[in-house]
Amino acid sequence: EAGVVQSPRYKIIEKKQPVAFWCNPISGHNTLYWYLQNLGQGPELLIRYENEEAVDDSQLPKDRFSAERLKGVDSTLKIQPAELGDSAVYLCASSLTSDNEQFFGPGTRLTVL
Amino acid sequence: GQSLEQPSEVTAVEGAIVQINCTYQTSGFYGLSWYQQHDGGAPTFLSYNGLDGLEETGRFSSFLSRSDSYGYLLLQELQMKDSASYFCAVNRAGGYQKVTFGTGTKLQVIP
Repeated sequence: EAGVVQSPRYKIIEKKQPVAFWCNPISGHNTLYWYLQNLGQGPELLIRYENEEAVDDSQLPKDRFSAERLKGVDSTLKIQPAELGDSAVYLCASSLTSDNEQFFGPGTRLTVL
Repeated sequence: GQSLEQPSEVTAVEGAIVQINCTYQTSGFYGLSWYQQHDGGAPTFLSYNGLDGLEETGRFSSFLSRSDSYGYLLLQELQMKDSASYFCAVNRAGGYQKVTFGTGTKLQVIP
């Protein structure tokens, strides 16, 4: 069974540029999560989807971050414009339902110059 | 809000036993999870404690005391491949529904 797929694995951009990350969850998983992880820290939840509905986006900086999961399968996280402080690893995770263990993708390492 | 405390680094010898402690403060506590993350890798789920007591999975065991807001992960027969970061995470309001991660403990296993 394929795991959670994320792309790109690495991205380097200049500040004020836009950037987008893509995630394909495990087939059949209804719940999808986007996390941000800074070096030496634990993952911090940005947004959680139940199918196509964003049910927890309280930690998402909505002035510059946006996300979508239009068909309830894969998802895109966008930052526009990026700031230096956005440099981090962006992790996507999925679970069968919100009451099941989460499976994480390999993450996208973003560097903002 | 929520807070979790765990040691930032632990070093242990191959073949030995190591315990990684985690104390937490949170509302709506449901259970404590543990995740392992190798450098550059994805976090992987290790265990979940919803009730007080010890849960054993092979070489790894996890313990929870709700009254003490405390838990630990016990790794036995340490192997070099166990060198990784270990995160405790509180589950709130519905099992795995909301998970808040600690800052992690970096375990180094030495020969």
